[in-house]
Amino acid sequence: SQTIHQWPATLVQPVGSPLSLECTVEGTSNPNLYWYRQAAGRGLQLLFYSVGIGQISSEVPQNLSASRPQDRQFILSSKKLLLSDSGFYLCAWRPIPGLPIPYNEQFFGPGTRLTVL
Amino acid sequence: AQSVTQPDIHITVSEGASLELRCNYSYGATPYLFWYVQSPGQGLQLLLKYFSGDTLVQGIKGFEAEFKRSQSSFNLRKPSVHWSDAAEYFCAVALRNSSYKLIFGSGTRLLVRP
Repeated sequence: SQTIHQWPATLVQPVGSPLSLECTVEGTSNPNLYWYRQAAGRGLQLLFYSVGIGQISSEVPQNLSASRPQDRQFILSSKKLLLSDSGFYLCAWRPIPGLPIPYNEQFFGPGTRLTVL
Repeated sequence: AQSVTQPDIHITVSEGASLELRCNYSYGATPYLFWYVQSPGQGLQLLLKYFSGDTLVQGIKGFEAEFKRSQSSFNLRKPSVHWSDAAEYFCAVALRNSSYKLIFGSGTRLLVRP
């Protein structure tokens, strides 16, 4: 079966510090991967998505970047955090067509709660 | 641009009462439609989805939703709410293209009175 992990679960960082959030998927190959952010009291906004290793699409201009160094690993980074980067970060994956699971459905990880002080 | 509107920020219902959460979308064609639930501090759980076919779809936990093309709506319903249904509910659409990006509404927080 497929599982998705996010690390760490919670993080408190000072303004100006770097950031690295990790997302890994097990039990599948070549998934589409997504990073979403949920700011306090708001809905979820897509930040990045990736259809393959080294292929990253950015949805909104911001202080963050994403990388996909391996097929099932998706990393969200920042060189200098801002207060506005605080929020709940969710990673999701979508299977490729041909597997016995819906390819037009995304499966979400448990999330990382980031507080920037 | 595509958008999803959930007009109710908060809804309070009594336990055992019926529930309807509204969702409208703006998109040039029929997208894939989803309802997710999020308990405090947790990730998202899929309640139900609509891709095609029967416009009334059944989901988990006794929820159902009806797709109405003429109204661009996908409202979520439950005939009898339980206290454990208190959570935040998100409507989302996925574009029918290669990226299948999800566009979320701003969410509706459901409070359940005992």
